[in-house]
Amino acid sequence: DAGVTQTPRHEVAEKGQTIILKCEPVSGHNDLFWYRQTKIQGLELLSYFRSKSLMEDGGAFKDRFKAEMLNSSFSTLKIQPTEPKDSAVYLCASRGDWDYEQYFGPGTRLTVL
Amino acid sequence: TQTVSQSDAHVTVFEGDSVELRCNYSYGGSIYLSWYIQHHGRGLQFLLKYYSGNPVVQGVNGFEAEFSKSDSSFHLRKASVHWSDSAVYFCAASTYQGGRALIFGTGTTVSVSP
Repeated sequence: DAGVTQTPRHEVAEKGQTIILKCEPVSGHNDLFWYRQTKIQGLELLSYFRSKSLMEDGGAFKDRFKAEMLNSSFSTLKIQPTEPKDSAVYLCASRGDWDYEQYFGPGTRLTVL
Repeated sequence: TQTVSQSDAHVTVFEGDSVELRCNYSYGGSIYLSWYIQHHGRGLQFLLKYYSGNPVVQGVNGFEAEFSKSDSSFHLRKASVHWSDSAVYFCAASTYQGGRALIFGTGTTVSVSP
């Protein structure tokens, strides 16, 4: 089975642009997570979906960040408009119904100039 | 509110040495604890978990962790490290009742010297 895939691996954006990051979870997994990783803040939860329904979202990220699950095998994270402070690695993870372990993708490194 | 703390930001050891990475948590109820490893430029990979039973749990590649309720700790250990163990290690916690998202510690970077 393929693991979690994320595209693109690297993204460079100008301040004010809209960017869309993509994630494909492990086939059959119904839980999907988006995290932001920075050196200062560490790993922060952005969104958690279960069977395409939004279960949790990071309160601090609501205004410019929007995650969606278009179907059970594809999710997007839109940042609009981008700001330099959004520069980070964005990680997507998925989990099976009865699993505890989360499977992480390689991440997308976003740089906002 | 749950919190997970990792007191050591960076640990340097020689190949063949043992290593212990500390993790402390705060939460009053049932808790799942786990450790993940992140090699440079990669996503996180699961190492091991604890929920109940034997407080010493075994993971992949010779890692083990010990849960202590009295100390609110879940420390990770390896008896003999290899250069490939150089990575960032994250302790994580979640409660089934509180939802299933993980709360991560800030991570400990382990550097293994030859």
